[in-house]
Amino acid sequence: DTEVTQTPKHLVMGMTNKKSLKCEQHMGHRAMYWYKQKAKKPPELMFVYSYEKLSINESVPSRFSPECPNSSLLNLHLHALQPEDSALYLCASSHIRLAGGPHQALNEQFFGPGTRLTVL
Amino acid sequence: AQSVTQPDIHITVSEGASLELRCNYSYGATPYLFWYVQSPGQGLQLLLKYFSGDTLVQGIKGFEAEFKRSQSSFNLRKPSVHWSDAAEYFCAVGARGNDMRFGAGTRLTVKP
Repeated sequence: DTEVTQTPKHLVMGMTNKKSLKCEQHMGHRAMYWYKQKAKKPPELMFVYSYEKLSINESVPSRFSPECPNSSLLNLHLHALQPEDSALYLCASSHIRLAGGPHQALNEQFFGPGTRLTVL
Repeated sequence: AQSVTQPDIHITVSEGASLELRCNYSYGATPYLFWYVQSPGQGLQLLLKYFSGDTLVQGIKGFEAEFKRSQSSFNLRKPSVHWSDAAEYFCAVGARGNDMRFGAGTRLTVKP
């Protein structure tokens, strides 16, 4: 299985709602990522989890709360979002590349199809 | 920190014509370089990658890229473009840890 799945495909929420985005992979990857992508822009890294622990938080507002309950799942909890948070949210996963490690331990990232989020 | 520049925001080519998309990177050590393609509303699909070894890399869908250290470039090429190649193309550079940075992207339009 070389697929990263994301649910839901589309999400519309109000500014007072609480919702969650889900991501799943079964490739044995121990690094998982959340990206935000606005229209006609490249993906912007939000969070990185390595071995189920948060390793990178790119100064993301606290209304976005990531969670990695196990090595296959990654969630993004949303609360009190703003209309400017509307975007495509992409999940990715990869093996963890160790410094000096073999090239098999790569950070080639596999992406899911994304969740299109609209905040009203 | 590593960074990537894609000088062309939008390129239009005729179907059957050759294609070259430019990518320049900035990184102090040997970079890990990638080309991804994204169709509208979709996730990103890896076309090819370079880590070391042969500087001419073959990818999926008939794409290839050449790593030129002296020019800090990793340009993507295809000898004959198909209408289905119309999409957004992103060059990316990976560095230490699991950090990867994307270029701004090049939108490819294919004329019939």
